[in-house]
Amino acid sequence: DTAVSQTPKYLVTQMGNDKSIKCEQNLGHDTMYWYKQDSKKFLKIMFSYNNKELIINETVPNRFSPKSPDKAHLNLHINSLELGDSAVYFCASSQRDRGAFFGQGTRLTVV
Amino acid sequence: ILNVEQSPQSLHVQEGDSTNFTCSFPSSNFYALHWYRWETAKSPEALFVMTLNGDEKKKGRISATLNTKEGYSYLYIKGSQPEDSATYLCAFVTGGGNKLTFGTGTQLKVEL
Repeated sequence: DTAVSQTPKYLVTQMGNDKSIKCEQNLGHDTMYWYKQDSKKFLKIMFSYNNKELIINETVPNRFSPKSPDKAHLNLHINSLELGDSAVYFCASSQRDRGAFFGQGTRLTVV
Repeated sequence: ILNVEQSPQSLHVQEGDSTNFTCSFPSSNFYALHWYRWETAKSPEALFVMTLNGDEKKKGRISATLNTKEGYSYLYIKGSQPEDSATYLCAFVTGGGNKLTFGTGTQLKVEL
């Protein structure tokens, strides 16, 4: 049973399109995150949600809109995709005082 | 912007060597410090969660120490094996546990 699963694993789309990445965790964790991995493999936090409430929103263009319908899900919707949005996006979840569990990543390629 | 730095950026060692890396972080607003191991084509996996100054954690041949007053943590690997080859990330935790800021990682390659 996968602890944190995100879909799709690969996403190729054209500039200007709108796309979503889904994330689900079955660990009962309160906190979920979205991270963007840049070209140097650096993980940069985008959003953090705690019990469906937005806690952290790090200077991310408002084309990126996270949605948490319940504490087990945190989806990422991206409007008007740009070439610079191409990256690997990781979803993660954690419980206070414990390490984070990561999804397998979604490689987004905008052409 | 939180400054979480790791050194060295990359490291090549021979099988059997012992090695260590450093993570430095701000000494204020500390909640916890995590270490992760990230193998190529996989996701990061948590190794250690440390919360108290002076904490020492050990898992097999890997151990870590924490100094929150001066803002650094060391990760040690004793008797490196090829399967230890990975990127090792530290994460500085603030915001009551809700924000993990990752360092840039140390890429370790263990050669036969």
